[in-house]
Amino acid sequence: QKEVEQNSGPLSVPEGAIASLNCTYSDRGSQSFFWYRQYSGKSPELIMFIYSNGDKEDGRFTAQLNKASQYVSLLIRDSQPSDSATYLCAIGGDGNKLVFGAGTILRVKS
Amino acid sequence: NAGVTQTPKFRILKIGQSMTLQCTQDMNHNYMYWYRQDPGMGLKLIYYSVGAGITDKGEVPNGYNVSRSTTEDFPLRLELAAPSQTSVYFCATGTGVSSGANVLTFGAGSRLTVL
Repeated sequence: QKEVEQNSGPLSVPEGAIASLNCTYSDRGSQSFFWYRQYSGKSPELIMFIYSNGDKEDGRFTAQLNKASQYVSLLIRDSQPSDSATYLCAIGGDGNKLVFGAGTILRVKS
Repeated sequence: NAGVTQTPKFRILKIGQSMTLQCTQDMNHNYMYWYRQDPGMGLKLIYYSVGAGITDKGEVPNGYNVSRSTTEDFPLRLELAAPSQTSVYFCATGTGVSSGANVLTFGAGSRLTVL
């Protein structure tokens, strides 16, 4: 059974700071890695995804992969109060299935 | 373009009752999924489908059934509801890895309480 682990948090950062979120995964053969954001009472929405061949930057968000240590990071620069949410890490699995972590709660304080 | 539509949004059931959660999509995606999310927990896969007429069990299928007669619809049936099925249910569609990465799009969710 593939596993994805995340620190539940909450992670608290001041407005304007960099928020760093991490998740570890068990399947060394994983090829795709996803970050979803979920506001309280809402459904998850995709922030970005990366493949096993490299990192990606999209605006204030950067996803990084460390294959040797089997963890994925999401950096949020210039954090805003509107970034306060639960961040779900997901790993692409067998048969087009995604395996999700439990999520990390991020709180950005103004 | 509505994306993924789930009904009902809220429902209270008594123990032993049955019901169907509806999910319909207009994204023309072959892949569809049902997840449940318990408080403070991640998403657990109940059932999924890779196309009309094809379904398969996920991680937590017990107590549920699905069908996929069309590309658009993927209803989830709860038989003999139990308190352990109290959860938020999300339906999602996926683009499939043939497009690069299997990006999921979620419906708004259905909050079910079994008393």
